Amino acid sequence: SQQGEEDPQALSIQEGENATMNCSYKTSINNLQWYRQNSGRGLVHLILIRSNEREKHSGRLRVTLDTSKKSSSLLITASRAADTASYFCATVAGTASKLTFGTGTRLQVTL
Amino acid sequence: DTAVSQTPKYLVTQMGNDKSIKCEQNLGHDTMYWYKQDSKKFLKIMFSYNNKELIINETVPNRFSPKSPDKAHLNLHINSLELGDSAVYFCASSQELFYGYTFGSGTRLTVV
Repeated sequence: SQQGEEDPQALSIQEGENATMNCSYKTSINNLQWYRQNSGRGLVHLILIRSNEREKHSGRLRVTLDTSKKSSSLLITASRAADTASYFCATVAGTASKLTFGTGTRLQVTL
Repeated sequence: DTAVSQTPKYLVTQMGNDKSIKCEQNLGHDTMYWYKQDSKKFLKIMFSYNNKELIINETVPNRFSPKSPDKAHLNLHINSLELGDSAVYFCASSQELFYGYTFGSGTRLTVV
């Protein structure tokens, strides 16, 4: 079964607005990663946060991690039409060296 | 200069046929993976190889057989294709535990 659930399943916002996506997972993790998938394309790694970190930034991306609640959020600030894509969280548990993906959030940014 | 390349990009075949998908990475990564993405966009790991050795096999039917001739290549052979095998198959590679994965652009397999 999928490790994580993401919400919302779909999100539609206007350019310039912020987009927040949430991810919950079930077991203890080593790290959590976020990926973007444009329609018909492969996945692109966005950001990785370790289990002992609470917040991380990369450009317009801000990721938080709450291990007590087994949840993470991805915030995209000042969104652009080019941010339109599906976003997936994925976790690595222990030293398993495999990514277990969430269900994904489809983000639509309109002009 | 593509980091992880997989071929073919599209594959349409009839039930019962055997087909292969090839994957190559030029990143020098030690670990390679095959993931399957179904029609609902769920991504699930199938296999993982580290330096040509199988380390993860996630209850995939025996009709699927990965082969890694060297650490830069991981191929996927599928026997006796079934309608349910229709999906997008992604190859990926990674180096260490705290680094992100690099994915190929996917192979869309359609079984008719």
